[in-house]
Amino acid sequence: GAVVSQHPSRVICKSGTSVKIECRSLDFQATTMFWYRQFPKQSLMLMATSNEGSKATYEQGVEKDKFLINHASLTLSTLTVTSAHPEDSSFYICSAIEDRLDPSGRECSEQYFGPGTRLTVT
Amino acid sequence: AQSVAQPEDQVNVAEGNPLTVKCTYSVSGNPYLFWYVQYPNRGLQFLLKYITGDNLVKGSYGFEAEFNKSQTSFHLKKPSALVSDSALYFCAVSPNTNAGKSTFGDGTTLTVKP
Repeated sequence: GAVVSQHPSRVICKSGTSVKIECRSLDFQATTMFWYRQFPKQSLMLMATSNEGSKATYEQGVEKDKFLINHASLTLSTLTVTSAHPEDSSFYICSAIEDRLDPSGRECSEQYFGPGTRLTVT
Repeated sequence: AQSVAQPEDQVNVAEGNPLTVKCTYSVSGNPYLFWYVQYPNRGLQFLLKYITGDNLVKGSYGFEAEFNKSQTSFHLKKPSALVSDSALYFCAVSPNTNAGKSTFGDGTTLTVKP
């Protein structure tokens, strides 16, 4: 099946620094990617929808200036946590949508998740 | 608005026994339902989905789920649990086939004991 990678898998940084997380679709083109945040033992919270060639769409309550998203190509979206603080420590997961045709020729989409990035801000 | 409820935080079963992880949903219009599994420090892995058609959906690793419209449920099942099935399971509902806009349940931790 399709593969989505994230880099880095784990990052520890000091408060005030910025951290960039990359999400790549390895064997398909993704016009749409999603960024989620997951706290320990909690569900995924959608942060934003990343659209190739246009501005990201942020969910309510997510600061766009804090979490910068750039979807510069059909295989890469980046999330930059600017001026990170300890409360930004979390597990960040991306997903990519593959649009394709099913065996009967109908359009369908499949969502593939990256392995996640553990961010720890000290 | 759409919502998903996973009423059990934890499910414990013995290896070889059948398992059920419960999920109920609320959505206006036709529901598109998904189950995912997450291992520690890993992203989500897709198990199965219901879009339309047969109410019993078969997925990866021997899992299946039954869509019940009258009870608005989509419980995940497996006839014979394995220790390696121990993980965190998420149910999700989407208002359309674009799973990216799914709302996720809070997750159920499944522990299978040998």
